[in-house]
Amino acid sequence: DADVTQTPRNRITKTGKRIMLECSQTKGHDRMYWYRQDPGLGLRLIYYSFDVKDINKGEISDGYSVSRQAQAKFSLSLESAIPNQTALYFCATSGVGSNVLTFGAGSRLTVL
Amino acid sequence: GENVEQHPSTLSVQEGDSAVIKCTYSDSASNYFPWYKQELGKRPQLIIDIRSNVGEKKDQRIAVTLNKTAKHFSLHITETQPEDSAVYFCAASPSGAGSYQLTFGKGTKLSVIP
Repeated sequence: DADVTQTPRNRITKTGKRIMLECSQTKGHDRMYWYRQDPGLGLRLIYYSFDVKDINKGEISDGYSVSRQAQAKFSLSLESAIPNQTALYFCATSGVGSNVLTFGAGSRLTVL
Repeated sequence: GENVEQHPSTLSVQEGDSAVIKCTYSDSASNYFPWYKQELGKRPQLIIDIRSNVGEKKDQRIAVTLNKTAKHFSLHITETQPEDSAVYFCAASPSGAGSYQLTFGKGTKLSVIP
């Protein structure tokens, strides 16, 4: 589903490096989210944003930051990556009045 | 905050049999309960959802039931097919200001054996 696009799809980096994962959407949704998926741990919310001026921490925000550059763009940054941030990261969106999430294809990050 | 427990973590069934996945939640204020399916290497996608004012909802071979008193809800898949093989996630969302924060269960890997 090209409505929610994540870049890069795969990234290998080293401990201490700064990493940015980007998400853009063409669905016109106001709400955007970043989730992290680890095997056996499900999907955990990192940050969410209801509009450009609204940023909220989720369940596991430590070590991450986000930027909502425009309604359609929401980026996730790891200022100094560590190995336990190795995971599959999903961006998601939802429209006003809807709880239904539309996920991007995911960004697989490996921190060595 | 909300805590969602999901069981079992893995489930194998013969093609044609039924599969049941159960979830419990902790926040009595939660009022929205979706189920997402994630096929191997793909993104999660919503397959069915239910709100707290409804006890059961069906869509072809899948159904979800909700017991608000016991704070648990279940996904039922009948006449399973190989394409039902995937990881299924339940989730819960509270009402009010946090209504768009979904808390997910840890997932159930369903394998349908032909």
